[in-house]
Amino acid sequence: AQTVTQSQPEMSVQEAETVTLSCTYDTSESDYYLFWYKQPPSRQMILVIRQEAYKQQNATENRFSVNFQKAAKSFSLKISDSQLGDAAMYFCAYSPHLQGAQKLVFGQGTRLTINP
Amino acid sequence: DVKVTQSSRYLVKRTGEKVFLECVQDMDHENMFWYRQDPGLGLRLIYFSYDVKMKEKGDIPEGYSVSREKKERFSLILESASTNQTSMYLCASSFYEGTYEQYFGPGTRLTVT
Repeated sequence: AQTVTQSQPEMSVQEAETVTLSCTYDTSESDYYLFWYKQPPSRQMILVIRQEAYKQQNATENRFSVNFQKAAKSFSLKISDSQLGDAAMYFCAYSPHLQGAQKLVFGQGTRLTINP
Repeated sequence: DVKVTQSSRYLVKRTGEKVFLECVQDMDHENMFWYRQDPGLGLRLIYFSYDVKMKEKGDIPEGYSVSREKKERFSLILESASTNQTSMYLCASSFYEGTYEQYFGPGTRLTVT
């Protein structure tokens, strides 16, 4: 069974600094997707960034970037120039590339606090 | 904008009651999902559906059932609520093919007393 592990239950960072959230996963599949989702306090979960396993290049979305290490099964999220609005729960998620209803497997989550 | 709505943000029910949680999406998504979110456990999949009247068990289906009579609506049913079903319930939807991105509702925080 696929599993996703986030070993940092909580992280904090000073505003404008850079922070990296860790995620490891376990799968025997070779083709899959990885995601980082953000859940702000009392607000809906939204997608931050997506990585396709067959792409070697790390995904980036503005201040958000990933370090995807396929052999190590590691998928970390780097947030640059942290802003107060980045404070949220962050979830790493995995989905095998299969046609149909693509189930997501989530990690335990990391609560990120931004210190002004 | 994709919109996924859930019938209640907060719900308090008594042990043994039958509970209905409703989810509606407006993007014509084929797939719909029900998750349960608990601290330290992340999100766990309860049930999902890839078409009307189709349903499949997720990782923790015990004590729950679902109904999908219309494409846009997916209901989660707790036949006889128990205190260990106190949790945050999240609904999500996605296209059958495409980017695999799931769109989430705001969640229902259910307390069973």
